[in-house]
Amino acid sequence: DAGVIQSPRHEVTEMGQEVTLRCKPISGHNSLFWYRQTMMRGLELLIYFNNNVPIDDSGMPEDRFSAKMPNASFSTLKIQPSEPRDSAVYFCASSSRDRLDQPQHFGDGTRLSIL
Amino acid sequence: SQKIEQNSEALNIQEGKTATLTCNYTNYSPAYLQWYRQDPGRGPVFLLLIRENEKEKRKERLKVTFDTTLKQSLFHITASQPADSATYLCALDNFNKFYFGSGTKLNVKP
Repeated sequence: DAGVIQSPRHEVTEMGQEVTLRCKPISGHNSLFWYRQTMMRGLELLIYFNNNVPIDDSGMPEDRFSAKMPNASFSTLKIQPSEPRDSAVYFCASSSRDRLDQPQHFGDGTRLSIL
Repeated sequence: SQKIEQNSEALNIQEGKTATLTCNYTNYSPAYLQWYRQDPGRGPVFLLLIRENEKEKRKERLKVTFDTTLKQSLFHITASQPADSATYLCALDNFNKFYFGSGTKLNVKP
């Protein structure tokens, strides 16, 4: 079975540009999570969806960040405008539930560098 | 403030020994705690889940304990192998908010 698929794997862009990260969750999973990982702050939850509905976006750092899940098989995380401090690895994960009584399955991330 | 602490220093052990990693938390009341493995350039991979009413969970060479009084979970790998070298993260679920520790890097030397 295919796991969580993220694209692109690497993104390098200049500050001020719009960045869109994409995620395809595992088929049948109804919860989707976006995380950001940095050396300083570790793995932080940005937002999660349950049945395509955003449940908690309190981790989204500021209004420059937005996330959508138009259907059960696709989600995007957008940064506009991007800043150098947004440089990090962004992970998407999916699960059959929005509680940690089920495993979260992670993609291999998008390594984002903002110059 | 709420936080999860994992030893930031790498744990270096000899092959065949038991590795023990610690996850301490404050100001949470997690219903579940999970452990993940992360290899360089990859996403975390789920290993084990333990519930608040469980003291211990085992899976092959892995064992997890959960002490809600001490607010601590221990993760053990017995008969460690060089292939076990990775970063191990704990994660907890506190009233539908999810928090990960920063991870402990394990190096198993042959």
